[in-house]
Amino acid sequence: GAGVSQSPSNKVTEKGKDVELRCDPISGHTALYWYRQSLGQGLEFLIYFQGNSAPDKSGLPSDRFSAERTGGSVSTLTIQRTQQEDSAVYLCASSLRQGAQQPQHFGDGTRLSIL
Amino acid sequence: GNSVTQMEGPVTLSEEAFLTINCTYTATGYPSLFWYVQYPGEGLQLLLKATKADDKGSNKGFEATYRKETTSFHLEKGSVQVSDSAVYFCALCSNDYKLSFGAGTTVTVRA
Repeated sequence: GAGVSQSPSNKVTEKGKDVELRCDPISGHTALYWYRQSLGQGLEFLIYFQGNSAPDKSGLPSDRFSAERTGGSVSTLTIQRTQQEDSAVYLCASSLRQGAQQPQHFGDGTRLSIL
Repeated sequence: GNSVTQMEGPVTLSEEAFLTINCTYTATGYPSLFWYVQYPGEGLQLLLKATKADDKGSNKGFEATYRKETTSFHLEKGSVQVSDSAVYFCALCSNDYKLSFGAGTTVTVRA
């Protein structure tokens, strides 16, 4: 498809398990972002990739969270030893290139529920 | 740091009513401003944007003007429809390329 694709759309797991969330950005987009949407916290920035530059990880809430982007395209967000407070919708976005004027296009998100 | 404040909802309107959602911001540098919309059961979609002072963004009958003097970017629509029922988010992007979002305003339009 033409849009940002995220998988799985829903994930339910037990506390303490590791999870991997996948994002496939729009073809040709060099910038990729992860955000989290949760009740009480709204939409929060997590991490940003631009081309081959070092990612901006300043929004990651703890060292249990990590992300990588292979080949400048697909990205995976990994949460280790999940906690109940990690329950949220994780959103991925991409933009054609970096820049404050570039609109970010969002996927439908992965709804993560930690039991 | 950057922050966005938008009017709290929920907002309930009748069809064909006038809609305004207030949004103000604080930011370093010269931010770009955006309105995103999230329809029920769907993901975030870009509604409109403005990248410099006095720019007016418009789409689907919605408008917002970038007012640097009042640090505002209020969203307006002259005649809403039931299909406009959604959550609306004001957002800014500055030199760090991260979007900072407002809390969102839930709008319900009754037939």
